[in-house]
Amino acid sequence: AQSVTQPDIHITVSEGASLELRCNYSYGATPYLFWYVQSPGQGLQLLLKYFSGDTLVQGIKGFEAEFKRSQSSFNLRKPSVHWSDAAEYFCAARSGGYNKLIFGAGTRLAVHP
Amino acid sequence: SAVISQKPSRDICQRGTSLTIQCQVDSQVTMMFWYRQQPGQSLTLIATANQGSEATYESGFVIDKFPISRPNLTFSTLTVSNMSPEDSSIYLCSVEGAGGPRTGELFFGEGSRLTVL
Repeated sequence: AQSVTQPDIHITVSEGASLELRCNYSYGATPYLFWYVQSPGQGLQLLLKYFSGDTLVQGIKGFEAEFKRSQSSFNLRKPSVHWSDAAEYFCAARSGGYNKLIFGAGTRLAVHP
Repeated sequence: SAVISQKPSRDICQRGTSLTIQCQVDSQVTMMFWYRQQPGQSLTLIATANQGSEATYESGFVIDKFPISRPNLTFSTLTVSNMSPEDSSIYLCSVEGAGGPRTGELFFGEGSRLTVL
């Protein structure tokens, strides 16, 4: 069955430190891949997406993600975390435009001053 | 990106009652999606609503419990019927980007947070 796995439920980093959030997918073929962020009391905002081509994609708010086919991974990174980055991050995948978007369980990020 | 407005943003409901959530989009879209996010959980797709046809429900969700209307290309409603405390969740409306299914991405409203007592 198609699935998206985020192994880390909670991550805490210090402000200014680097960040990497892990995401693995299980699909028959490479799906469309996405990262969304949900701030407290807010809806979901799309950070970035991967469809094909360059395996390193840039997103908003200084985030980037790297697609690795051999590892079935799409990890999210940020070189220097800001306190405002504290939120819930969801990795998601979709096998095609007419198929449903499947979400991972989410990773809650806390940022210490 | 599409601008999606949901009403109500939050509500407290009594057990056994029903509540209808509205979703308004600022552009015409073919497919609209309704998701549920239970407390501390990820998002689960309830159903896909296309204008002019019956909604398509995911496994575990039925029309009697979650009836959906899609009267035009910019509006949809989701009703949560005969509510119980287990229905306490955030319900989110979602639509595809301007490129339609080809782009694959979805945009979300801010959600409707329901608490059932």
